[in-house]
Amino acid sequence: AQSVSQHNHHVILSEAASLELGCNYSYGGTVNLFWYVQYPGQHLQLLLKYFSGDPLVKGIKGFEAEFIKSKFSFNLRKPSVQWSDTAEYFCAVSLSGGYNKLIFGAGTRLAVHP
Amino acid sequence: DTGVSQDPRHKITKRGQNVTFRCDPISEHNRLYWYRQTLGQGPEFLTYFQNEAQLEKSRLLSDRFSAERPKGSFSTLEIQRTEQGDSAMYLCASSLSLRAGSNEQFFGPGTRLTVL
Repeated sequence: AQSVSQHNHHVILSEAASLELGCNYSYGGTVNLFWYVQYPGQHLQLLLKYFSGDPLVKGIKGFEAEFIKSKFSFNLRKPSVQWSDTAEYFCAVSLSGGYNKLIFGAGTRLAVHP
Repeated sequence: DTGVSQDPRHKITKRGQNVTFRCDPISEHNRLYWYRQTLGQGPEFLTYFQNEAQLEKSRLLSDRFSAERPKGSFSTLEIQRTEQGDSAMYLCASSLSLRAGSNEQFFGPGTRLTVL
């Protein structure tokens, strides 16, 4: 069965620090990859997605992610975090060519201190 | 607001009672998904509709759970004889089926169920 693992459950950073959240998936076929974010009190929102093409994907709010097929990874990065990035981040995968049910990781809770 | 809406936002019930949740997807979206999220976990897929047809049900969806999307628009998720283990956030998402692999799922705010 497909699965997604996120390496860090809790991350605490100071403003302006760089961020990298790890995500690995297990599936040998072609996948679509996503990062969703959930700000406090809000619903899940899409940060960025990868379907094909350039493995370096840029999303909203300065976030980017790199798909490394050989490592089954899709790590999320941001060079300089802000207090407003405090949220929970979920990596998700769906099988390409299907109806796109999402398989989520357990999430990483990010706290950014001023 | 033209996003996905869910009702109610919170539901507290006693064990053994039946509950029903409603999801209104984005109007032109033909795909609708239900997920369940428990504390400390990511959302888990429950079931999927394309228009009014329910095309997949997860093994997480026991016989006490039933979902419908009668006219291919809104959907309901019913839980019969609720158990404390059913306590969770129930999320609905919708998407528009474009070419394979390109559709984004938009999530609603969820219904938080507490079973006492």
